[in-house]
Amino acid sequence: EAQVTQNPRYLITVTGKKLTVTCSQNMNHEYMSWYRQDPGLGLRQIYYSMNVEVTDKGDVPEGYKVSRKEKRNFPLILESPSPNQTSLYFCASSSPSGGSYEQYFGPGTRLTVT
Amino acid sequence: GDSVTQMEGPVTLSEEAFLTINCTYTATGYPSLFWYVQYPGEGLQLLLKATKADDKGSNKGFEATYRKETTSFHLEKGSVQVSDSAVYFCALSSSPGAQKLVFGQGTRLTINP
Repeated sequence: EAQVTQNPRYLITVTGKKLTVTCSQNMNHEYMSWYRQDPGLGLRQIYYSMNVEVTDKGDVPEGYKVSRKEKRNFPLILESPSPNQTSLYFCASSSPSGGSYEQYFGPGTRLTVT
Repeated sequence: GDSVTQMEGPVTLSEEAFLTINCTYTATGYPSLFWYVQYPGEGLQLLLKATKADDKGSNKGFEATYRKETTSFHLEKGSVQVSDSAVYFCALSSSPGAQKLVFGQGTRLTINP
């Protein structure tokens, strides 16, 4: 089954404690992205990657890091989380081939930083 | 920069009612336009898309037409069902392959039986 998986689904942590949210896709997609969803703001892109070792900032990259060492994985790293990073996070993947333009989203990770 | 504005929610309708969710956009060039749907507890799924002016996207009884002259992409359905209850997001992409999406704020739709 084609899917994007994220772990963990729920996470409660404290300010300053480094954490990583993993994302993996099994569709051999070149593009991967991270978004955060906040009430009244929709989804905003944090970082995206167009292929292995190629990453770039989205609209709200401050406080986040990413890496793309393998095509299937795109972890999101919060080195020193703060309460304003409490949010619902989504990973997504897509492919530029075929002209479908569809992004496939993971189920989301709800993060609470106290 | 690019932006998307959706009608404020929440929207509550009775089953079999007609649905319109308004969406307008600001973008340079000719973006691709999308509607995504988010069911409770799930990630987003693509509902429909249009990649050029006057294109009509359709899926599951929903339709939206890319109107360049009014910079709009309103979502419509003639007869809604309880199972359509979800949050709907309008989005655009000006990037090749649509790897960067700009979303509206989302509209929560509740359909009562």
